[in-house]
Amino acid sequence: DAKTTQPPSMDCAEGRAANLPCNHSTISGNEYVYWYRQIHSQGPQYIIHGLKNNETNEMASLIITEDRKSSTLILPHATLRDTAVYYCIAAFSGNTGKLIFGQGTTLQVKP
Amino acid sequence: GAVVSQHPSWVICKSGTSVKIECRSLDFQATTMFWYRQFPKQSLMLMATSNEGSKATYEQGVEKDKFLINHASLTLSTLTVTSAHPEDSSFYICSATRQAKAEAFFGQGTRLTVV
Repeated sequence: DAKTTQPPSMDCAEGRAANLPCNHSTISGNEYVYWYRQIHSQGPQYIIHGLKNNETNEMASLIITEDRKSSTLILPHATLRDTAVYYCIAAFSGNTGKLIFGQGTTLQVKP
Repeated sequence: GAVVSQHPSWVICKSGTSVKIECRSLDFQATTMFWYRQFPKQSLMLMATSNEGSKATYEQGVEKDKFLINHASLTLSTLTVTSAHPEDSSFYICSATRQAKAEAFFGQGTRLTVV
């Protein structure tokens, strides 16, 4: 599985968009980009995933660069409850349950 | 979304005893479940893949005789920490996918403290 690189921490003002970057320069053509988050002392929560096209759901948007070497998770209107560790993970389509977690980005949403 | 539930949420046990943690998929059948361990201020580390009706597959460095995994039904996998020691104190988390190519759903985790 491709290695991903994320900044260790970010701050965001409540109500503003949070843009979390992820670098996955060695990603292969059939690896998806998955985003999960973990709120303190809970199990991770699925957010969104994509292969090549940008994706949007009720939680977030995922922007993947054309060369697929990086992506950005966008939380359009961050709230205090979005404070969590966000993990960007590359996973093959047939192996989406076996996830290799990096250190993630700790997002602190501030009032 | 699909629900995966773990039990217990937390447990304290004496050194040398064994502890069993259950992971259930509540609204779907999971032929494969996954077990992770997370130490304080660290990321999740995959321990093993639990396969219904067959032996678990352990990641390198994980002692299979210490962390016994049983996946006896399509909705239940158990992790037993045998002869627990204080260094086994950790947050144990399971996950499952509804389908082979779908996203993973995680349990709420089990906090194990060995005293």
